[in-house]
Amino acid sequence: AQKITQTQPGMFVQEKEAVTLDCTYDTSDQSYGLFWYKQPSSGEMIFLIYQGSYDEQNATEGRYSLNFQKARKSANLVISASQLGDSAMYFCAMREGTNNNDMRFGAGTRLTVKP
Amino acid sequence: NAGVTQTPKFQVLKTGQSMTLQCAQDMNHEYMSWYRQDPGMGLRLIHYSVGAGITDQGEVPNGYNVSRSTTEDFPLRLLSAAPSQTSVYFCASSYNWGDGYTFGSGTRLTVV
Repeated sequence: AQKITQTQPGMFVQEKEAVTLDCTYDTSDQSYGLFWYKQPSSGEMIFLIYQGSYDEQNATEGRYSLNFQKARKSANLVISASQLGDSAMYFCAMREGTNNNDMRFGAGTRLTVKP
Repeated sequence: NAGVTQTPKFQVLKTGQSMTLQCAQDMNHEYMSWYRQDPGMGLRLIHYSVGAGITDQGEVPNGYNVSRSTTEDFPLRLLSAAPSQTSVYFCASSYNWGDGYTFGSGTRLTVV
């Protein structure tokens, strides 16, 4: 069963504006971690941000923040002040349990930043 | 630090051939994983490991074997290549459970 769902195949945003990329997840574990990765057209995979299920505060890393709504099982990525270099595929991922390296990815969202 | 090193970067195999994709990291990471990425799709987990001597199957393990004899190395073996295994393969590692992965640069494999 699909555990990570990204419903937006593609998104457009104007340069300097903020954008939210959606991610919902399904798990029965109490302990889990949520991750976002970026894949530019060059093909490399870049880790952006992490949110633990027990973290009370939303994670932030520079222009990236994670809007974590546990009851809704959503972990949306917010990118503020978009830049042309933000154009890429973005993947949401989840690790369940502890000491478990089974990380599953969503299908991704392609973000295009318009000048 | 070299990070996560994957070799080769490109490979063409004939159906039925076997080969090993190499993955090495020099960051003393315990967690290592192999993924495949098909065009327009996300990453699918093949096999993973939480430390030397410990491996487990992911969501698409058929046709692949792994071993983890050292912390540094996590090779992926294709037993008898099939055209369905044409894909980009990524190796990834992290220090512990709450860390994001560091990815290798990928191996583009074509099976003809």
